[in-house]
Amino acid sequence: DAGVIQSPRHEVTEMGQEVTLRCKPISGHNSLFWYRQTMMRGLELLIYFNNNVPIDDSGMPEDRFSAKMPNASFSTLKIQPSEPRDSAVYFCASSQRQESSYNEQFFGPGTRLTVL
Amino acid sequence: GESVGLHLPTLSVQEGDNSIINCAYSNSASDYFIWYKQESGKGPQFIIDIRSNMDKRQGQRVTVLLNKTVKHLSLQIAATQPGDSAVYFCAENSYTGRRALTFGSGTRLQVQP
Repeated sequence: DAGVIQSPRHEVTEMGQEVTLRCKPISGHNSLFWYRQTMMRGLELLIYFNNNVPIDDSGMPEDRFSAKMPNASFSTLKIQPSEPRDSAVYFCASSQRQESSYNEQFFGPGTRLTVL
Repeated sequence: GESVGLHLPTLSVQEGDNSIINCAYSNSASDYFIWYKQESGKGPQFIIDIRSNMDKRQGQRVTVLLNKTVKHLSLQIAATQPGDSAVYFCAENSYTGRRALTFGSGTRLQVQP
């Protein structure tokens, strides 16, 4: 099992540019999570999907951020336009959600975003 | 993988000693807790979990203790090894609430050889 795959691993862009981060969850998992990690705020949830449907996007900082999950094996997190304060490490995680139990989340390696 | 250089509380221990990492949670409705380990340059990795109907759970070299009265969680690592050096996060969830985890701020464990 390849685990959760994220791309790119590093992204450096200029303020105002569009940034797209990509995630491939573990095959068979039906829940996908996007997190952001910064020095100031630690690890915080941005949005999560269940069966490709966004369930909770209350963590998305503002309208510049959007996320999609067109199918069970792919998700994107887009920032448009990007700002220097968006600089962080963005993690994607997936899990196999079951109604009757809790489920471990498996994290990808992260994408380090730097907005100049 | 990636990580960030968080300014975190740091616990420094000698190799072979036992380590205890503490975590306070705020949501009294939380009934599921996980400890994650994040090594430099990697994403968080599951260590051990515990449900609220338990107060202790043991894994390989790790033990998690849960005190619901004071909303406190601890992770004990026996015979700490250099490979245990990492940032440790506790996370909480409520089965009846949102399915996503809420993470604590983390503790950096440094193991001195």
